[in-house]
Amino acid sequence: NAGVTQTPKFRVLKTGQSMTLLCAQDMNHEYMYWYRQDPGMGLRLIHYSVGEGTTAKGEVPDGYNVSRLKKQNFLLGLESAAPSQTSVYFCASSTGLQSLNIQYFGAGTRLSVL
Amino acid sequence: TQLLEQSPQFLSIQEGENLTVYCNSSSVFSSLQWYRQEPGEGPVLLVTVVTGGEVKKLKRLTFQFGDARKDSSLHITAAQPGDTGLYLCAGKAAGNKLTFGGGTRVLVKP
Repeated sequence: NAGVTQTPKFRVLKTGQSMTLLCAQDMNHEYMYWYRQDPGMGLRLIHYSVGEGTTAKGEVPDGYNVSRLKKQNFLLGLESAAPSQTSVYFCASSTGLQSLNIQYFGAGTRLSVL
Repeated sequence: TQLLEQSPQFLSIQEGENLTVYCNSSSVFSSLQWYRQEPGEGPVLLVTVVTGGEVKKLKRLTFQFGDARKDSSLHITAAQPGDTGLYLCAGKAAGNKLTFGGGTRVLVKP
């Protein structure tokens, strides 16, 4: 059972460089999410998707773009990385059922922007 | 924006002691979840509470949802080193989005 898989696990970028983080889930979940985690601030929602071909902004969307071309994949892009984007990024997925919304998380991507 | 505040931010105790973590908000949530996160891993769901006043037990962990569904607590009895980790509360807001608290880092020393 792979669950939610994130690649890469670690990355170091220089300011201005671009990169894409990949999230893949094998649970046939409708909903997928991208969060960033910074010390003392818990998890903050960047963007999310309620189904293939759809995306929506979360709490902190600026500087990020996302795409959900396939149901199982959710990509997070940084077009021009900034030091403020140094963080740990988590992807999650859920069934989308309104009642409980249990989210399953990947192991995270640790990104440093120099 | 609905905010969830957790307290304390950090807790260090000896094995066998009890501890309580609090999660408070001025907003009402339809449900509240508690997650535990270990270093290098993503959060893992421990429990979901839905009804105001609800109490759920998971072995030595007791979770309570406030009557007004604005706050919650996690109590660990006779803590073990394996309880060490980051505890996060998350409230279910509009749609299927979760609002997370800032987390409480718990260290249980043997």
